[in-house]
Amino acid sequence: DAGVIQSPRHEVTEMGQEVTLRCKPISGHDYLFWYRQTMMRGLELLIYFNNNVPIDDSGMPEDRFSAKMPNASFSTLKIQPSEPRDSAVYFCASSSLGTIDEQFFGPGTRLTVL
Amino acid sequence: ILNVEQSPQSLHVQEGDSTNFTCSFPSSNFYALHWYRWETAKSPEALFVMTLNGDEKKKGRISATLNTKEGYSYLYIKGSQPEDSATYLCAFTWTGANNLFFGTGTRLTVIP
Repeated sequence: DAGVIQSPRHEVTEMGQEVTLRCKPISGHDYLFWYRQTMMRGLELLIYFNNNVPIDDSGMPEDRFSAKMPNASFSTLKIQPSEPRDSAVYFCASSSLGTIDEQFFGPGTRLTVL
Repeated sequence: ILNVEQSPQSLHVQEGDSTNFTCSFPSSNFYALHWYRWETAKSPEALFVMTLNGDEKKKGRISATLNTKEGYSYLYIKGSQPEDSATYLCAFTWTGANNLFFGTGTRLTVIP
């Protein structure tokens, strides 16, 4: 298995533009997590899915952020409109048994909003 | 909001030295404690997942212990090597939850 795949690896955009980050979890993993890493707050959970269903989105900063998982092999995190304070590294991770099991992280997407 | 604290925030050790750091977490409703190793410009990689009080796990020169009653876990590195330089994250979850709360990590630098 290729592991968790994220795209793009780097994204530079201007304030106000829509940004879509993509994630392909490891096949067979039922849980998918979106994290954001910033200098100030470290690694924070934004949202997670179990069997494609969003379970907890309390970490999503505001309505500008949305996430979907239309099938077991694909998820998106969308920011619309983007703002400079959204600049961060966004990680996707997957696991097979939730928190009793290790999470496998993707390489991350480094987002810069100018 | 759960408080997962790691100490120290950073440390420098000489190659060959052994070292350890601490993760503190709430002791009530404990479910699992994870350790991850995070190298610069890479993504976190799992080291251990521990669930039982008194658990001890080992992977090569790295080992970890767990005390759920008092709410702490230690990570030990024996004979540190430059390639051990990384940030070591712990993450905690409680019964009934399916998400992890991460500490801010301990940044280890091993000086050759």
